[in-house]
Amino acid sequence: DVKVTQSSRYLVKRTGEKVFLECVQDMDHENMFWYRQDPGLGLRLIYFSYDVKMKEKGDIPEGYSVSREKKERFSLILESASTNQTSMYLCASSQRTGGQETQYFGPGTRLLVL
Amino acid sequence: GQNIDQPTEMTATEGAIVQINCTYQTSGFNGLFWYQQHAGEAPTFLSYNVLDGLEEKGRFSSFLSRSKGYSYLLLKELQMKDSASYLCACPTSYGNKLVFGAGTILRVKS
Repeated sequence: DVKVTQSSRYLVKRTGEKVFLECVQDMDHENMFWYRQDPGLGLRLIYFSYDVKMKEKGDIPEGYSVSREKKERFSLILESASTNQTSMYLCASSQRTGGQETQYFGPGTRLLVL
Repeated sequence: GQNIDQPTEMTATEGAIVQINCTYQTSGFNGLFWYQQHAGEAPTFLSYNVLDGLEEKGRFSSFLSRSKGYSYLLLKELQMKDSASYLCACPTSYGNKLVFGAGTILRVKS
């Protein structure tokens, strides 16, 4: 079974704090993704990575950075958290096949920024 | 660019059949995914269509028409546990990136 885990299910932080969200997958997948999900807006891609130390901006990268030092781990960093970053954050991974690349999701981290 | 549209909400009765539609506009086509997401949980993979036609998988089937830019998810013999959000998604020309629709919340009532 594919397993994607995220470091926290719920997180409460204060404005201006630095926040780390960690994601680990155990399927040796090349691709990893960070999304945020907000009501009425669906899933929006923040950053993705297709290899170790590689990263690409998604649709809404502003205010975020990422790190991928090891293949199985992809971290999302909020350098200075703001209230508009209150959201559900979902990590996903997929195998690079060139065809059907099904993404498998972690359980999500619900972040509240006060 | 890519644009994916699905209805916001639907309600259906236990035991009935429901069809959730998805229309898409993409630059290039690399298939279409359906995911199910229960409230507060992760999306889970349901189906992938890349060729026209209907693919059946138990109570769930997914249909694709590439010429019409249209797909639907068909759920038969609805159960209360089918109450969830259903997400339609298409890969971009990158292949590994997905663009998601906003999701359709399905409520199953007894």
